[in-house]
Order: sequence, then C-alpha cells, then structure tokens
Amino acid sequence: ETGVTQTPRHLVMGMTNKKSLKCEQHLGHNAMYWYKQSAKKPLELMFVYNFKEQTENNSVPSRFSPECPNSSHLFLHLHTLQPEDSALYLCASKAGEGYTFGSGTRLTVV
Amino acid sequence: AQSVAQPEDQVNVAEGNPLTVKCTYSVSGNPYLFWYVQYPNRGLQFLLKYITGDNLVKGSYGFEAEFNKSQTSFHLKKPSALVSDSALYFCAVRDGNTGFQKLVFGTGTRLLVSP
Repeated sequence: ETGVTQTPRHLVMGMTNKKSLKCEQHLGHNAMYWYKQSAKKPLELMFVYNFKEQTENNSVPSRFSPECPNSSHLFLHLHTLQPEDSALYLCASKAGEGYTFGSGTRLTVV
Repeated sequence: AQSVAQPEDQVNVAEGNPLTVKCTYSVSGNPYLFWYVQYPNRGLQFLLKYITGDNLVKGSYGFEAEFNKSQTSFHLKKPSALVSDSALYFCAVRDGNTGFQKLVFGTGTRLLVSP
C-alpha cells in the first residue's frame, strides 16, 4: 500500500447510473489529484485540489464532479457517463515534490 | 505548456543486459523530471526524480536517469535488467518556475525483459 487508498478497485456502471469514486490519504499531504488513464494515451490530469480548494479543472466534462471535503478525502462523482469514459482513474496526493498514487479504480461504462 | 515524449511503445531486453527507456521533454521554465513505474492493476510507483544538482540521478531498484539539458532528455537506465523489471514506465515533467501543481506524463513505455 502506498498510503493513498482508492475504492472501489473495480466498477461497472450503466450510462444512466450515478456512482462515486473515493480516495483517502493520511500522509498529511495538502494537494490531491484525479488522473484518467486510458490505453495508449498519456495520463490526463482532471482535477487538482490544494487545501480543499479546487485549483485546476482541466476542461473535464460536467458528468464528472469532484468533491474534496477535507485534505484527506477526495471524491469523484459520476453521472450519465459514456462508454469512452471507461478507464483507470488514479488519485494522487502531493507534499513537496513527492507524488503518491493510489492503485486506481478500473471503471467500465456499459 | 509542458509536454513529454516517450518515443518507444515497447522496449525488449534480455535479462542481464543493460536497458534504456527514452524520454524527452518540453517546458518553458526549469524542468522537474520524474520516472514512475506501473505494474499490472496497480497505481504508479515513484522511481526517481531530478530537481536540481547532479545530472545523474539514482533511484529505486537500481534504476538511474541522466538529465541532459541540451538534448532535453531524461532517459531511464539500468545496467542489468531483471525479469521483474517488466512493467509500464512513465516519464513526467513539471514546470518548476510557475508554481503550478500540474505534472504532465508521457504515454508510457512497456518494458519487457525476457529470461
């Protein structure tokens, strides 16, 4: 375990469902990130939070809605997703120049 | 804007031979450079980073990387490959001047080490 925990590890959802991904870290890091990893594409930065405040939204569609209630928890709320949203969603936290990644949630949209 | 290029989708090497995984970058300010490794169904694990100082950086599991400013490269190397090194390797860059939190990754290079 890296210290960044993501749940669930796998998720299959229909296009009309609403689900949430959870990320938790108790490393004392103040910055948290959501990345999307698709096959044969660079990791795509989705959202950045610093001290619970969103500092970057990388032109992510509104069907993805992040929430950061405190510095230890980060959520990604999903609704009306498309099949092309199927990917591995990675959470990371950062202190100084050290980025720590979780194991990811493998999302499949059917 | 910063970017990273990993020109090889896959690198094949025999166990015991040296390996190199290539990375070039583009950034307007000072480059902060990273290598991460990803094993199947796992997140990214930190290998090494260059922020400042010696151009040759040593990291985890016997890996090292050389920062070459003139060639804007940060190739990952290991003198003697192990079968267990087989994984997906990502190079990443951050612009150290801007203070942005954004770490930009390459597309990844799959390393396959044969026995």
